[in-house]
Amino acid sequence: ETGVTQTPRHLVMGMTNKKSLKCEQHLGHNAMYWYKQSAKKPLELMFVYNFKEQTENNSVPSRFSPECPNSSHLFLHLHTLQPEDSALYLCASSQELGVRSYEQYFGPGTRLTVT
Amino acid sequence: AQSVAQPEDQVNVAEGNPLTVKCTYSVSGNPYLFWYVQYPNRGLQFLLKYITGDNLVKGSYGFEAEFNKSQTSFHLKKPSALVSDSALYFCAVRDDSGNTPLVFGKGTRLSVIA
Repeated sequence: ETGVTQTPRHLVMGMTNKKSLKCEQHLGHNAMYWYKQSAKKPLELMFVYNFKEQTENNSVPSRFSPECPNSSHLFLHLHTLQPEDSALYLCASSQELGVRSYEQYFGPGTRLTVT
Repeated sequence: AQSVAQPEDQVNVAEGNPLTVKCTYSVSGNPYLFWYVQYPNRGLQFLLKYITGDNLVKGSYGFEAEFNKSQTSFHLKKPSALVSDSALYFCAVRDDSGNTPLVFGKGTRLSVIA
């Protein structure tokens, strides 16, 4: 699990706050992902980056803003969130998207609570 | 379009008994299939994958999965369940073309009872 790290592990924020989630991968991968996992709901893919370029945005509200400065780092900037945004946010990485046989590796997640 | 179905929300099995967690898929081309496990307050951990070749794939922690093309299934199995296998299990699929990411099933919670 140390291949993909996420900080912080837990975050409590008010609806007017601005915070950022950080993900770092040490696996030499070129694709990175953000997922949202809510209780009793399927895993939701939010954003995908391939070689630092965003390739997918699954209709995510603009209060979530991703940033991928290089292939090893991925951020999720949060502002004016809603209580329903409380969830476990998972980061993952894999070889480039075109190499379809490779699995994704996940970080431990950030448990976000919006009050 | 790719999709994956895990028909059971919950599977209960007694310790020492064999376990099966079901998964069926739909892809337009050839499938690449994956199983992941998630323990409480942790990320998903890769268990095994089918790419090509032998239909029976062996993975971590004694798990295996059987690819069945005619039934479009990729069920996860273990001959003898342990209490420590209790977790949430996800099946995932992608096809062999394009740049689409993995599509995950909704997950099946496995409970192994001592």
